[in-house]
Parts: sequence; structure tokens; C-alpha cells
Amino acid sequence: AQRVTQPEKLLSVFKGAPVELKCNYSYSGSPELFWYVQYSRQRLQLLLRHISRESIKGFTADLNKGETSFHLKKPFAQEEDSAMYYCALSGPIETSGSRLTFGEGTQLTVNP
Amino acid sequence: NAGVMQNPRHLVRRRGQEARLRCSPMKGHSHVYWYRQLPEEGLKFMVYLQKENIIDESGMPKERFSAEFPKEGPSILRIQQVVRGDSAAYFCASSPSGHPNTGELFFGEGSRLTVL
Repeated sequence: AQRVTQPEKLLSVFKGAPVELKCNYSYSGSPELFWYVQYSRQRLQLLLRHISRESIKGFTADLNKGETSFHLKKPFAQEEDSAMYYCALSGPIETSGSRLTFGEGTQLTVNP
Repeated sequence: NAGVMQNPRHLVRRRGQEARLRCSPMKGHSHVYWYRQLPEEGLKFMVYLQKENIIDESGMPKERFSAEFPKEGPSILRIQQVVRGDSAAYFCASSPSGHPNTGELFFGEGSRLTVL
């Protein structure tokens, strides 16, 4: 069974401070992991995926297979980063297409 | 491209009535996914459909819930004899066909069902 855990429902930091949103997963195969973000009054959208090894809006995430984690990090948080963040895991494409298993989400608030 | 369109955005039903939620995927997308978000919870997968086929319905409750994605027209999530526990936000997402698994789903704005 695949499972995604985000231990923090709420996270509050000050502008300019580093931020880390935690994500742990359990999956029997080789996982593909993603971070999705939902800004206020907007649709849920893809932020980044681990296979791309990209940095989007200053965010990065490294897949740590030993710790089964995929934490999202940003060295200097901005107020516009305030949003709901979801970690997600993809199953095998042959049977699941792009079906994703989501974590419970972390509401990030960046205070001025 | 208007994106994934869901309607109605808000739906109120009394216990025992039927609820029908519609989803039009993005142009060129033939894969549709339905998710449910109960209050204070994350998104839970319900069903994955391609045109005229249900591929994975492992997240669908065994009774009262059904989904379809006909050759023509939107995908429909149907809930019969609704109960208060069905009150939730129902999100539809789509992805293109014939692509490798990039994991990018394009979401609609959701349909919020309230059962009185």
C-alpha cells in the first residue's frame, strides 16, 4: 500500500526565514514524488516533481530513499509563499496512469 | 484553454436525494480522476477513468457511488441517496493521453456538496 504523511498541518514562519515542509512516504516500488500547491482562491497545481530535480519559486525537494522522505525547502520564505502544500506519490503508470496519493497537506503562513 | 471545468460549484441536497457532479477535462485530455476532500482532511482518490472505461475505482465506496466518462460529454460522478457524510468537496483532475507518467494532474475548482 502507498501512503504519504505530512506531519504538520500548520506551519508559520517569518518572511526571510528558512522553511521546510516535511513529507514521508511508504511505497513498495520506486516512487515518483511531487509537491502540489494551492494558493488562496486558486486551483491545486503542480509545484515540482522529484524526477526533474528543479527549483521552482526558490523551492527544492530531495528524495531520500533511506529515510523515505521528500521534504520541501526554501532558504528564504516570502509572504506570497503562503498556501496549502500537498506532497503526493505516483503509483505504477501501467495500472494507475497519473493517479496520485496525496498527503493531508500543510498550511504554510509566512508572516511579515 | 479554459482548464478543467466542474459544475455545479456548489450543490445542496437533502438526505436521500441524488447528486450529479460534472467534469469537463482540459482539451486534449482523455484521462479523468475524481478526488474527495472531507472537512479537515486531504484529497482521497476515488476513481480513474478514460473515455468509456473505468480504469481504477479502488477508492469508490461500494454502494451509492458511480462514475462515467462517455465518448461524448463530460465525466459524471453520481451519488445516489446522499447522506450527511457525503458532504465534501469533490475535485476532478485530468491528464493527457499517450504521455509518460509525468504526474501532473490539472485540477478543477471543485464541487462542494452539502447534504442537509
